[in-house]
Amino acid sequence: QKEVEQDPGPLSVPEGAIVSLNCTYSNSAFQYFMWYRQYSRKGPELLMYTYSSGNKEDGRFTAQVDKSSKYISLFIRDSQPSDSATYLCAMSGDKLIFGTGTRLQVFP
Amino acid sequence: SQTIHQWPATLVQPVGSPLSLECTVEGTSNPNLYWYRQAAGRGLQLLFYSVGIGQISSEVPQNLSASRPQDRQFILSSKKLLLSDSGFYLCAWSKSFLGRGVPGELFFGEGSRLTVL
Repeated sequence: QKEVEQDPGPLSVPEGAIVSLNCTYSNSAFQYFMWYRQYSRKGPELLMYTYSSGNKEDGRFTAQVDKSSKYISLFIRDSQPSDSATYLCAMSGDKLIFGTGTRLQVFP
Repeated sequence: SQTIHQWPATLVQPVGSPLSLECTVEGTSNPNLYWYRQAAGRGLQLLFYSVGIGQISSEVPQNLSASRPQDRQFILSSKKLLLSDSGFYLCAWSKSFLGRGVPGELFFGEGSRLTVL
């Protein structure tokens, strides 16, 4: 079993939709949870970072962590074509591990 | 502000040929430096990291090596490429060393797409 599981997609949604991206993990040592966004042919960039269970909001983006279920989510409200990218979850504890990424396409 | 440069952006190399990818960071001193490989369906795989000049740690035994001849320069090399070395290579830096329960941000370069034929 992989330490971090992430559905690769692709996920295709119309502009304005609410998008839900998810990761599950198995390592209880993970304490910090991150979401990186990667545009095509570019390096990833940090989008959001959370520590505890609960929600963290930044504009149209909300990161949610449920440590009891070992499940994290990233919600994108009012999705835009410019949100089209691959989203990677990342987790840090005794080590830093990245998910495989979910490719998102938002069409006009 | 800090910037990270990585080159070449794309290269196609025959099997058995050497490789050299270079990465430099500007605007900061004593960065922690990393080389990652990104392959389809496998996510980001940490290959090497360095916490200082001449200090290299390898995470995965393989056909590659890394060197840090200067504080802000990180080089990924191979003497003889294999087909399995194809992939997207990313250099990154961080202020604090990440991966031992320390939170922080990784700043990635634009990546180098390597195709071995």
